[in-house]
Amino acid sequence: GENVEQHPSTLSVQEGDSAVIKCTYSDSASNYFPWYKQELGKRPQLIIDIRSNVGEKKDQRIAVTLNKTAKHFSLHITETQPEDSAVYFCAAPRAANDYKLSFGAGTTVTVRA
Amino acid sequence: GAVVSQHPSWVICKSGTSVKIECRSLDFQATTMFWYRQFPKQSLMLMATSNEGSKATYEQGVEKDKFLINHASLTLSTLTVTSAHPEDSSFYICSARAGTNYGYTFGSGTRLTVV
Repeated sequence: GENVEQHPSTLSVQEGDSAVIKCTYSDSASNYFPWYKQELGKRPQLIIDIRSNVGEKKDQRIAVTLNKTAKHFSLHITETQPEDSAVYFCAAPRAANDYKLSFGAGTTVTVRA
Repeated sequence: GAVVSQHPSWVICKSGTSVKIECRSLDFQATTMFWYRQFPKQSLMLMATSNEGSKATYEQGVEKDKFLINHASLTLSTLTVTSAHPEDSSFYICSARAGTNYGYTFGSGTRLTVV
């Protein structure tokens, strides 16, 4: 099954700076990579996702890059704001054609004002 | 967009009692519902997958007789924690698949505390 590793576990950035979180996966057949943001005590919210047929996707201050050869994908948040403080999880399908997701361990992002 | 309503948002129960958690898809038919458990500062761990009208599939190490799942309709799935113990205290979240390949929508979660 898919093994998803996420780094770093915590990340503290100054407001306005960029934040980058990286995840690696083990199954080269994986074809979908979402990122979720979870605020304390709340539900995970999908913030961006990417499929294996593209290398990068952007949505305003958030972008995701995918390197299929190296089997890693990264979340980039630019011009960070205090409201970006949350726990971020990456995920990947547990197996090819399996709709169940394996989640990374999470990254706690703190944006310092 | 797709909305999943989860109740209760929090519950405190005595050790040995049972607790039922409900997840409803409000504006779509959820053919598949996933149930997760999340301990503090940890990731989401899949407990079981339920498909409407059939028995749930449990992950390794999850006791099916302790965590009863019912998915009797396309809009409602329930998780019952039976004979709860303090170690069952956790955040339980459901997630519904809305028909597209990876169209997951999460419920708002239930904080269970067993005393």
